[in-house]
Amino acid sequence: NAGVMQNPRHLVRRRGQEARLRCSPMKGHSHVYWYRQLPEEGLKFMVYLQKENIIDESGMPKERFSAEFPKEGPSILRIQQVVRGDSAAYFCASSPQDRSYGYTFGSGTRLTVV
Amino acid sequence: SQQGEEDPQALSIQEGENATMNCSYKTSINNLQWYRQNSGRGLVHLILIRSNEREKHSGRLRVTLDTSKKSSSLLITASRAADTASYFCATAFSNSGGYQKVTFGTGTKLQVIP
Repeated sequence: NAGVMQNPRHLVRRRGQEARLRCSPMKGHSHVYWYRQLPEEGLKFMVYLQKENIIDESGMPKERFSAEFPKEGPSILRIQQVVRGDSAAYFCASSPQDRSYGYTFGSGTRLTVV
Repeated sequence: SQQGEEDPQALSIQEGENATMNCSYKTSINNLQWYRQNSGRGLVHLILIRSNEREKHSGRLRVTLDTSKKSSSLLITASRAADTASYFCATAFSNSGGYQKVTFGTGTKLQVIP
C-alpha cells in the first residue's frame, strides 16, 4: 500500500503559467482533501472531493483555482495564471469515508512561483 | 473560525524532558486529532480523541480533552531528538453540509536538544 502519492514534489512556475498538482489517494479511499500551507503556518482547508463530486470548496479562491477527482485517475488541483502569492506547500489527504478518523497525508507539492 | 490555536508557538527542551503542547478551539467537536510534521514533509496522524473521552495514551503520547474548556493537551514523555517537529491539533466537527470537516491549528514547533 503506497499511501497517498502526490506529484510532483517540487514545481516551479513563472508568473502567469498554469500549475497542475496531482494526488492519488490510498487504495480504497474515496475521499480527498486539499490543504495549503504557507511557510511557518498551519494548514488551510481548500477543497473536499469524492469521486466525480466536489463536496466542499469553501476554502478555494474564487478565481484561478479548480479541483477535480475523476472516476479514473488522480485528483487534480489546478491553478491558472499563477502569482507569487500562490507559492506554498499543497497537501493532499485521503480517508476511506467521511468519518474523519484521521487523515493520511501525502508528502506535498511545493510550488514556487518565480 | 473553528481553527484551533496551539500554545506555545515554539518550545525548546532537553532530551529526556517532557513536552506539553496545548490546543484551544471554539465550537463543539466530534473528535480532536494530533498530527506531527517533520520539516519539509507531510503530516503524520498521531492520535485521535473523541468528544466523549477525557484522556488517551499511545506509547509516549498522552492526550487530554476538556470539552468544557474547549481545550486539549498533548504530552510527549521522555522526549527524544527525533521528536523534533511541528505538532498540529485538528478538530473535526459536523458542518451544515452534513459531513465532518477537519480544521487545523497553527502548530507548535518543538525542538528537542540532544
